[in-house]
Amino acid sequence: AQSVTQLGSHVSVSEGALVLLRCNYSSSVPPYLFWYVQYPNQGLQLLLKYTSAATLVKGINGFEAEFKKSETSFHLTKPSAHMSDAAEYFCAVKDTSGTYKYIFGTGTRLKVLA
Amino acid sequence: EAGVAQSPRYKIIEKRQSVAFWCNPISGHATLYWYQQILGQGPKLLIQFQNNGVVDDSQLPKDRFSAERLKGVDSTLKIQPAKLEDSAVYLCASSPGGAGSPLHFGNGTRLTVT
Repeated sequence: AQSVTQLGSHVSVSEGALVLLRCNYSSSVPPYLFWYVQYPNQGLQLLLKYTSAATLVKGINGFEAEFKKSETSFHLTKPSAHMSDAAEYFCAVKDTSGTYKYIFGTGTRLKVLA
Repeated sequence: EAGVAQSPRYKIIEKRQSVAFWCNPISGHATLYWYQQILGQGPKLLIQFQNNGVVDDSQLPKDRFSAERLKGVDSTLKIQPAKLEDSAVYLCASSPGGAGSPLHFGNGTRLTVT
């Protein structure tokens, strides 16, 4: 069964510093991978997606992620953190074996320090 | 395009009472999902519809939860009777289908069971 693991339930960075949120996936077939962001009292909003085209994917708000098959990773980065980036981030994999079920990681809460 | 609409936004009930949530997906989206998100966790799939048929309800506690999607558009999720552990945010999402298509989420309904 496909799954995702997010390392670090809480990450703190200083404003202007690099943001790195880690996601590793488990899949026996080429996966579809997604990063979502959730602000307080809101639903999840798509940041970016990987669908087997370019391995470096650019998303909204200056975020990008790189698909590395050899490491089974899809880490999310942003060169310079902004206060408005404080939120919870979820990595998700889409089951491509039949049901097209989306499986979410446990999330990483990003805190941005002034 | 209009997003996924959910109501109510908040609901407080006592244990053993019943409650219903409503979801209107994005127009034309064939696939509809209900997720349960307990505080501090990632979304957990409860049920997935393709048009008005159920694709996956393996994690739906069927002794107390029920869901329907009439005419392949709107959907309702019901809990009867509610337990304390049902306190969570219930998220509805829709997708147009297709291998790489992402989920589009509503803002959710926050349920508190006292």
